[in-house]
Amino acid sequence: ETGVTQSPTHLIKTRGQQVTLRCSSQSGHNTVSWYQQALGQGPQFIFQYYREEENGRGNFPPRFSGLQFPNYSSELNVNALELDDSALYLCASSRRRAGASETQYFGPGTRLLVL
Amino acid sequence: AQSVTQPDIHITVSEGASLELRCNYSYGATPYLFWYVQSPGQGLQLLLKYFSGDTLVQGIKGFEAEFKRSQSSFNLRKPSVHWSDAAEYFCAVGQLLYSGAGSYQLTFGKGTKLSVIP
Repeated sequence: ETGVTQSPTHLIKTRGQQVTLRCSSQSGHNTVSWYQQALGQGPQFIFQYYREEENGRGNFPPRFSGLQFPNYSSELNVNALELDDSALYLCASSRRRAGASETQYFGPGTRLLVL
Repeated sequence: AQSVTQPDIHITVSEGASLELRCNYSYGATPYLFWYVQSPGQGLQLLLKYFSGDTLVQGIKGFEAEFKRSQSSFNLRKPSVHWSDAAEYFCAVGQLLYSGAGSYQLTFGKGTKLSVIP
């Protein structure tokens, strides 16, 4: 069974640029959630995707957007990067099933540095 | 809104000693509760979870946690700590996004860093 993978592992961008982060779900999982973890903080929920649609969103501005593809992989896009966007971005996959409570499994993250 | 408080920022214990990490949550309904562990530069690994049922939950690596509704707590315990347990520990509460299938978003505490003295 393949776990959650993310790419790239590290990324450096400058303020105002745009970035795309990628996530491949664990085998058999159909739901992807994205979290931002600033240095010294706990992760914060950005949004969740299920069947290629946004299923819920945290307190993040619209310049944070996402996609989910038919194979359940996902992208996180951030436009107009700000210095405060520097963080570890974590993807978590899970399997939504009727009548069951799912568990979210996390990938290793992408470390983004905005200069 | 839901929230999680981990009162201890940093804890140091000797190898072989017992461990208890504290977690208090605020959530209006019956919570989904989790403990995750994060090693430096790594993602999060699930230690254990509580969805319902028995309030004492067993997890991996010899960890356990007890859900106490009256205290809004979900403290993590281990009877004997190993040097490899040194890491950061996060408590989280799940807020339902779609109740029909238990889909939720996680709200995390700020974490407790555990150091182990050999």
